[in-house]
Amino acid sequence: GAVVSQHPSWVICKSGTSVKIECRSLDFQATTMFWYRQFPKQSLMLMATSNEGSKATYEQGVEKDKFLINHASLTLSTLTVTSAHPEDSSFYICSARDGRTDTQYFGPGTRLTVL
Amino acid sequence: AQSVTQLDSQVPVFEEAPVELRCNYSSSVSVYLFWYVQYPNQGLQLLLKYLSGSTLVKGINGFEAEFNKSQTSFHLRKPSVHISDTAEYFCAVTHTGTASKLTFGTGTRLQVTL
Repeated sequence: GAVVSQHPSWVICKSGTSVKIECRSLDFQATTMFWYRQFPKQSLMLMATSNEGSKATYEQGVEKDKFLINHASLTLSTLTVTSAHPEDSSFYICSARDGRTDTQYFGPGTRLTVL
Repeated sequence: AQSVTQLDSQVPVFEEAPVELRCNYSSSVSVYLFWYVQYPNQGLQLLLKYLSGSTLVKGINGFEAEFNKSQTSFHLRKPSVHISDTAEYFCAVTHTGTASKLTFGTGTRLQVTL
């Protein structure tokens, strides 16, 4: 099946700093990528839809100035958590939509811990 | 709007026993349905999907699911589970013809023991 990678797999940062997470589709082009957030023992909550070459669409309640999304190419989307605080600590998962099969393939996730 | 309900938060089962994980959905339009598995500290892996056609869908690792439109259900089954099947299972739905904006259920923890 299709492969999606995320980097880094885990990151620890100090409060107030910014963290960038990369999501890449390795063997297909993804015009649409999605960013999810998952708290411990909970389901995935969609944060935003990232479209190549255009602005991301954020879900209600998600601060777009805090969670900056850039979809610079058909294989890369980035999520930047700006001025991170401990409450931003979470598991962030991206997915990429394969238009050929209309299926989302998920990355392995990035564990963010803000001290 | 669409929603997904996974009634069982946890399902304990003995190894080699059969299992069914329940999923019901709500939508006013046609849907695509998915089951994903998540192992600890990992992303989601697609188990199977229903897009159209046969209502019985076979997936990886011996899992299968049946789409029942009248009952708006998409239950996941396996006739004989292994210890390695212990994981979190998520049912998800999206509208057909959209950019696949998935709505997830709350997940079911399958715990397989000897």
